[in-house]
Amino acid sequence: DTGVSQNPRHKITKRGQNVTFRCDPISEHNRLYWYRQTLGQGPEFLTYFQNEAQLEKSRLLSDRFSAERPKGSFSTLEIQRTEQGDSAMYLCASSLSSGLAGVAQYFGPGTRLLVL
Amino acid sequence: GDSVTQMEGPVTLSEEAFLTINCTYTATGYPSLFWYVQYPGEGLQLLLKATKADDKGSNKGFEATYRKETTSFHLEKGSVQVSDSAVYFCALSESGANSKLTFGKGITLSVRP
Repeated sequence: DTGVSQNPRHKITKRGQNVTFRCDPISEHNRLYWYRQTLGQGPEFLTYFQNEAQLEKSRLLSDRFSAERPKGSFSTLEIQRTEQGDSAMYLCASSLSSGLAGVAQYFGPGTRLLVL
Repeated sequence: GDSVTQMEGPVTLSEEAFLTINCTYTATGYPSLFWYVQYPGEGLQLLLKATKADDKGSNKGFEATYRKETTSFHLEKGSVQVSDSAVYFCALSESGANSKLTFGKGITLSVRP
């Protein structure tokens, strides 16, 4: 079990540029989540995949954000035309799907984005 | 919608002191409750969880009891250590297909030797 990995760990970009982040979940996990965390706040849900299907997107996720999970393995989160307000830590988490309540999500180390 | 409220921080304690971190929640259904911890320079880790009323989650000397009547899930530890210094997040997930987590703001705990 190598855990959830995210790349890059840090990204600095200029306003208006596009950026893409990658998440590799724990291999047997079929659920994958993206969250965003700003300074002094808890993570906020952005979107969720079960296998390759994107099943829910938060109202926080503007049209400039798009996420994919081809083949139900790794996922990418792309932000187009970045804005300074997009500066945050982007977290990925994965879990098993189960009929049981309280299935734990396992988080990656995050990608810290700074938009200048 | 769902929400989680944590007590204001930061909290600074001396080693071996008793710790309580308050957490209350608002949920439309019957949620599962979690405490996550973030140590300096590391990612979020699950500390403990509880899935139904009166359940007690425990791990590494920390405990929290699911209190449906007061909609609370307070975190406690009898004797903190310097190594417990971290940011602690209370979270909930509703039952159902999504199971997304709703987090509180987090609270920073610093333990002095």
